[in-house]
Amino acid sequence: IAGITQAPTSQILAAGRRMTLRCTQDMRHNAMYWYRQDLGLGLRLIHYSNTAGTTGKGEVPDGYSVSRANTDDFPLTLASAVPSQTSVYFCASSDSIGGTDTQYFGPGTRLTVL
Amino acid sequence: AQSVTQLGSHVSVSEGALVLLRCNYSSSVPPYLFWYVQYPNQGLQLLLKYTTGATLVKGINGFEAEFKKSETSFHLTKPSAHMSDAAEYFCAVSGDGGYQKVTFGIGTKLQVIP
Repeated sequence: IAGITQAPTSQILAAGRRMTLRCTQDMRHNAMYWYRQDLGLGLRLIHYSNTAGTTGKGEVPDGYSVSRANTDDFPLTLASAVPSQTSVYFCASSDSIGGTDTQYFGPGTRLTVL
Repeated sequence: AQSVTQLGSHVSVSEGALVLLRCNYSSSVPPYLFWYVQYPNQGLQLLLKYTTGATLVKGINGFEAEFKKSETSFHLTKPSAHMSDAAEYFCAVSGDGGYQKVTFGIGTKLQVIP
């Protein structure tokens, strides 16, 4: 069982470029999330999805967009990357959006914007 | 609004010594509490969680945590540290939010000294 896969593993990107981070899960989970992890700030929620076809904004959504066309995939797009978006990005999923559910995390994408 | 405070961004213990990682939370509703562990270059994985019932929760790898409502705490302990416990540990709280969001602490990096 693969769980959650993310691609790419790492990327160096010029400022102003468009970038899509990919996330796929094989657990048939309804809820999916995107977080960014920054030193001293922990994990902050960017966007989430309760179920296929619906998305919502988290704590730090500006400059990012997501889509949820099906259960398995939840791509994160940076329309025009800026250096402050340099971070490690984690995709996660859970059975439901309910607060008691365990979240399962992917291995992360390390993004550097120059 | 809910929040989590992890006391000590870095903790060092000797191999075989007690591990104590501190977490205090704030929530306007009965909380659900989690500890996640992140090994280098990996995503987070669940150690243990408290939802309802018994306040002493046992998790994987010999870790346990006790929910103390009067102290608004959920400290993580392990009687005897092992070298393989070296990782970053995140406390998280959920239950108080429009979309049942999970709020993570900033993390505590555990170093185990041989």
